[in-house]
Amino acid sequence: IAGITQAPTSQILAAGRRMTLRCTQDMRHNAMYWYRQDLGLGLRLIHYSNTAGTTGKGEVPDGYSVSRANTDDFPLTLASAVPSQTSVYFCASRREHTGVGETQYFGPGTRLLVL
Amino acid sequence: AQSVTQPDIHITVSEGASLELRCNYSYGATPYLFWYVQSPGQGLQLLLKYFSGDTLVQGIKGFEAEFKRSQSSFNLRKPSVHWSDAAEYFCAVGDNSGGSNYKLTFGKGTLLTVNP
Repeated sequence: IAGITQAPTSQILAAGRRMTLRCTQDMRHNAMYWYRQDLGLGLRLIHYSNTAGTTGKGEVPDGYSVSRANTDDFPLTLASAVPSQTSVYFCASRREHTGVGETQYFGPGTRLLVL
Repeated sequence: AQSVTQPDIHITVSEGASLELRCNYSYGATPYLFWYVQSPGQGLQLLLKYFSGDTLVQGIKGFEAEFKRSQSSFNLRKPSVHWSDAAEYFCAVGDNSGGSNYKLTFGKGTLLTVNP
């Protein structure tokens, strides 16, 4: 069982370039999330998707977009990267967006450096 | 709005010593509380969670946490720390209002160093 996979593992990106971070889960979870983790700030929610075909904005959505064409995949796109988007990005999923007792599972993360 | 405070940014303990990591939350209703651990270069792994019932919950790797409503706290404990416990620990509160905006709010984390 793979759980959640993220690609790439790490990336160095020139400012202004477009980048898509990939996230795939094999647990058939309906809800998926993207977080960024920054030193001293913990994890902050960027975007979420309660089910395939729907998405929503989290705490820090500016500069990012997402899509959810199917249950398994939830890519995060930086249309024009800026240095402040240097961070570690985590994808997460849970079985349903309701049912607050559900465990949220996390991928291994993508480390992004924008120069 | 819900919030989580982890007052200790960094804690150092000796191997074999006891450990307590503090977590305070702010939430208007009954909270749903979680502790996650993040080993260096890894993603987050759930240690334990509290929804209702017994206020002392047991988790993996010998960890436990106690929910104290009167203190708005959910402190993580372990009687004897192992070197492999060195990691960053995150407390989180889940929004239990249901609907479409469920999310976890995380504290900023406590980094645990274990001395041999």
